[in-house]
Amino acid sequence: DAMVIQNPRYQVTQFGKPVTLSCSQTLNHNVMYWYQQKSSQAPKLLFHYYDKDFNNEADTPDNFQSRRPNTSFCFLDIRSPGLGDAAMYLCATSRGGGRGLSYEQYFGPGTRLTVT
Amino acid sequence: QKEVEQNSGPLSVPEGAIASLNCTYSDRGSQSFFWYRQYSGKSPELIMSIYSNGDKEDGRFTAQLNKASQYVSLLIRDSQPSDSATYLCAVGGFQKLVFGTGTRLLVSP
Repeated sequence: DAMVIQNPRYQVTQFGKPVTLSCSQTLNHNVMYWYQQKSSQAPKLLFHYYDKDFNNEADTPDNFQSRRPNTSFCFLDIRSPGLGDAAMYLCATSRGGGRGLSYEQYFGPGTRLTVT
Repeated sequence: QKEVEQNSGPLSVPEGAIASLNCTYSDRGSQSFFWYRQYSGKSPELIMSIYSNGDKEDGRFTAQLNKASQYVSLLIRDSQPSDSATYLCAVGGFQKLVFGTGTRLLVSP
């Protein structure tokens, strides 16, 4: 089955210790997204890739970086995690729309990040 | 700033009843609209998408869109306890979705 996979499902890191979260997809979608979601809040878009074009949200801290080495994989790097970065990190994919039309996004299971 | 508004709930309905969830949005140029279901501790799951004014039905779910009034709704017929979850409304912007904070639905047996 076509799907979005995230690894690891649970990640514990120490304050200030870099961490990388990964996402892969078999949907062959050209758009990949990274969201941060905290309890009882809406998913917050951090950035997305449209093919190889990187699009950063204006309020995403510099502490968060991303890489997309190929169509199938995308990584989220948190360079110096703080206690406030503890959250669920969600990867989603979508086919790209002409004229910027947004189509359905399909989410992976998420990575729960704990910062100690 | 483009906004999507939902009543946070909880919306409580008895098993077998119709649950009605509503969402309003601010960007009149929006062209795509989605409903996601999210169980506690899980990721959002797409349940409906709608692009044109009117109703779209899929099983027990009906999405309704009124672009003139800038609202979109989700009806769940014959509600089941397993429908208890948070329902997120998402509105399509340029290459991305704007999410509401969700409505928590509780279906009691």
